[in-house]
Amino acid sequence: QVQLVESGGGVVQPGRSLRLSCAASGFTFSSYTLHWVRQAPGKGLEWVAFISYDASDKYYADSVKGRFTISRDNSKRTLFLQMNSLRAEDTAVYYCARDARPLDSSGYYAYWGQGTLVTVSS
Amino acid sequence: SSELTQDPAVSVALGQTVTITCRGDSLRRYSASWYQQKPGQAPVLVIYAKGNRPSGIPDRFSGSSSGNTASLTITGAQAEDEADYYCNSRDNSGNLWVFGGGTKLTVL
Repeated sequence: QVQLVESGGGVVQPGRSLRLSCAASGFTFSSYTLHWVRQAPGKGLEWVAFISYDASDKYYADSVKGRFTISRDNSKRTLFLQMNSLRAEDTAVYYCARDARPLDSSGYYAYWGQGTLVTVSS
Repeated sequence: SSELTQDPAVSVALGQTVTITCRGDSLRRYSASWYQQKPGQAPVLVIYAKGNRPSGIPDRFSGSSSGNTASLTITGAQAEDEADYYCNSRDNSGNLWVFGGGTKLTVL
């Protein structure tokens, strides 16, 4: 079965960096586009970033553009989110999500991980 | 980017029908998807691509779209449908995605 397992969250001071990982199993990783979505405590969902199946295309929400970098290692079946210059408003649960159909960038998030909490605080 | 607007809260009597709406300019061009989220859980895709339901989603969930509005309808709401519901679509550029603010559904 499809599994997405995020890791790397924790408490970090403002201005510092953190790298999230999402380990995938149960599907052909290299055929699917992936996204990061976050949810601040008690708030709604916010789309963060997208990466195509072959990493040729990457897009970012305006709120993180220039600070966050999405990447993937298809040989290791792992998605990453490098977060630099972190701010208090980046505090959230970060989910990785997989598109519904292979080789498709529809943005229909058919599978989600359980999320990893990032807390930015001094 | 563009915005998607949802009513913050909606209620429905057990067994009745409820429609949750999502409005935004980008919906004139791009399809919406809908997600159900219960407290402490990851979201679950319930509707995508003009009304398609993933396997395992009950057929009481349906989706439609007209103009700048996408709708999620639950026909015969059950107690277990009480949750937050979010719409999602591409923005006007087509390269970014945006969620609606979410609708809290209460089943009375």
